[in-house]
Amino acid sequence: EVQLVESGGGLVQPGRSLRLSCTASGFTFGDYAMSWVRQAPGKGLEWVGFIRSKAYGGTTEYAASVKGRFTISRDDSKSIAYLQMNSLKTEDTAVYYCTRYSCGGDCDSYYFDYWGQGTLVTVSS
Amino acid sequence: SYVLTQPPSVSVAPGKTARITCGGNNIGSKSVHWYQQKPGQAPVLVIYYDSDRPSGIPERFSGSNSGNTATLTISRVEAGDEADYYCQVWDSSSDHREVFGGGTKLTVL
Repeated sequence: EVQLVESGGGLVQPGRSLRLSCTASGFTFGDYAMSWVRQAPGKGLEWVGFIRSKAYGGTTEYAASVKGRFTISRDDSKSIAYLQMNSLKTEDTAVYYCTRYSCGGDCDSYYFDYWGQGTLVTVSS
Repeated sequence: SYVLTQPPSVSVAPGKTARITCGGNNIGSKSVHWYQQKPGQAPVLVIYYDSDRPSGIPERFSGSNSGNTATLTISRVEAGDEADYYCQVWDSSSDHREVFGGGTKLTVL
């Protein structure tokens, strides 16, 4: 059974940093890209970014709203994905979901096939 | 950036068919994925690549995509289908590589 468990959320002041972790099990972690999606209170879903598998270079892509402030990394030996969040803003307040990021066929499109339960990040003074 | 437009709400009686639309410029040329989110829970993938169902998703859930509109259809709606539904596409032409619709609240009357 695929499981994704996020941790590291909490209350943080504007301008500070926070690192989220996502511990995966039930699949070969290193074979998959991983992504982060967030949801502000009472709002819709917003993609944050993703990291490719090592087979595809382990490179990353980010939404414009977090580019330059957030960094996604992975430790395949531990089956953990990370989201390092710097220079946090009040508008970064959200539940952050870790997702497995999959594609089929020609990989012309990706989808989020498994989600963690989410961890709440509150940015406030 | 690419924009996906969903109706804020759809209401349907139990046993009837619900149709939730997702509008976008020439969306028929893209692959659309759909997610169900119940209150206090994480989203669940219900349709991928326009019309494929993940294992464990009932056959009552189906999808289509053509022109400027993608549609999620839920047949024989049950009370347990009440949730928010989001469409999603991958857009290579902008920084927002993954784009979500604003979500549709499905109410079962």
